[in-house]
Amino acid sequence: DAKTTQPPSMDCAEGRAANLPCNHSTISGNEYVYWYRQIHSQGPQYIIHGLKNNETNEMASLIITEDRKSSTLILPHATLRDTAVYYCIVRVAGGATNKLIFGTGTLLAVQP
Amino acid sequence: EPEVTQTPSHQVTQMGQEVILRCVPISNHLYFYWYRQILGQKVEFLVSFYNNEISEKSEIFDDQFSVERPDGSNFTLKIRSTKLEDSAMYFCASTSFRSPDTQYFGPGTRLTVL
Repeated sequence: DAKTTQPPSMDCAEGRAANLPCNHSTISGNEYVYWYRQIHSQGPQYIIHGLKNNETNEMASLIITEDRKSSTLILPHATLRDTAVYYCIVRVAGGATNKLIFGTGTLLAVQP
Repeated sequence: EPEVTQTPSHQVTQMGQEVILRCVPISNHLYFYWYRQILGQKVEFLVSFYNNEISEKSEIFDDQFSVERPDGSNFTLKIRSTKLEDSAMYFCASTSFRSPDTQYFGPGTRLTVL
């Protein structure tokens, strides 16, 4: 699996958009970008994933650059409950037995 | 919304004792996983399980660890002889055949080995 690089921490004001960057310069053509988050002491939670097109769901948007070497997770209106560690993970899709390899992620602190 | 459940939420044991951590995956899911997270460290993959057998295991998952799906609903992780360094949060996860890209995690069991 390709390696990802994320800033260790970020702050965001409540109600504003949170933009979390991720670099994955060695991503392969068949690897997807996944985002999970972990609220303090809870199990990780799936957010979104994508291959090359931008994706949006009820939780977030995922913007992937054209060269696929980086991506940005966008939480459009951050709330205090979005304070968590956000993990960007790159892996081949479709293999249900594929493990997730977690890095250290980005600690997003949403400030009131 | 269906969710993965884990019991107990906290398990305290003496070094050398056997522990069994229990998980009930989401009912129509077919792929199961265990991960662990030592306090302050990364979430680490332990093992994946499908069709009643281990699909993949990490270096952490040595002979002291075993997994079982005893009755079609539970998925268990057994540690035969616990060590101090086994103290961690243990997370179970499951995935459906229809959505293999999304792993649903349980709330975890905190294991404390004294």
